[in-house]
Amino acid sequence: GAGVSQSPRYKVAKRGQDVALRCDPISGHVSLFWYQQALGQGPEFLTYFQNEAQLDKSGLPSDRFFAERPEGSVSTLKIQRTQQEDSAVYLCASSLAPIGARNQPQHFGDGTRLSIL
Amino acid sequence: DAKTTQPNSMESNEEEPVHLPCNHSTISGTDYIHWYRQLPSQGPEYVIHGLTSNVNNRMASLAIAEDRKSSTLILHRATLRDAAVYYCILRPIIQGAQKLVFGQGTRLTINP
Repeated sequence: GAGVSQSPRYKVAKRGQDVALRCDPISGHVSLFWYQQALGQGPEFLTYFQNEAQLDKSGLPSDRFFAERPEGSVSTLKIQRTQQEDSAVYLCASSLAPIGARNQPQHFGDGTRLSIL
Repeated sequence: DAKTTQPNSMESNEEEPVHLPCNHSTISGTDYIHWYRQLPSQGPEYVIHGLTSNVNNRMASLAIAEDRKSSTLILHRATLRDAAVYYCILRPIIQGAQKLVFGQGTRLTINP
């Protein structure tokens, strides 16, 4: 279908390696979000884009985490020098609305499950 | 961000109604009440939202208390596919970020 697509679905990396996670939002969606979900917990906000502008990165846990959306569509979340505590499911969501339209639902992908050995 | 409180888990039987409660005693007048659910191995899925009046859609109904300090998500006839974690989330109308703030949610088990 035309939902949010994330790749890879699963990623295993050794501690210290860099990883890149990809998100393809729904076509035409202005807003894009990244969330991190630890096992047994609810998702936690990482960062937010409106088109190509990163308007909120308050949830990024350290400077090892970096996100970009250079052309306002596809986004990549990069984690440098991975550590075991980075193991989690990383979820991407998109919504049609620009900032100010509060009730547009967010449409989520099925996430990338990252395991750091 | 205003906080919500939900039971950790609930259990129901297939083809019976399910009432999932949520307390939000610190809700402000500008907070919308949103519900999402997360099926196993999937991302969260929007269910319904409301402000003051009760709301119905094809998935569920949302009953909001008159003082808005609590709400109930109603699944009218549960199926096995409704087994999921259900999250009650407050979204302020004003403020900058549109992020969703998830709590622990309620894990709903449906018995055949």
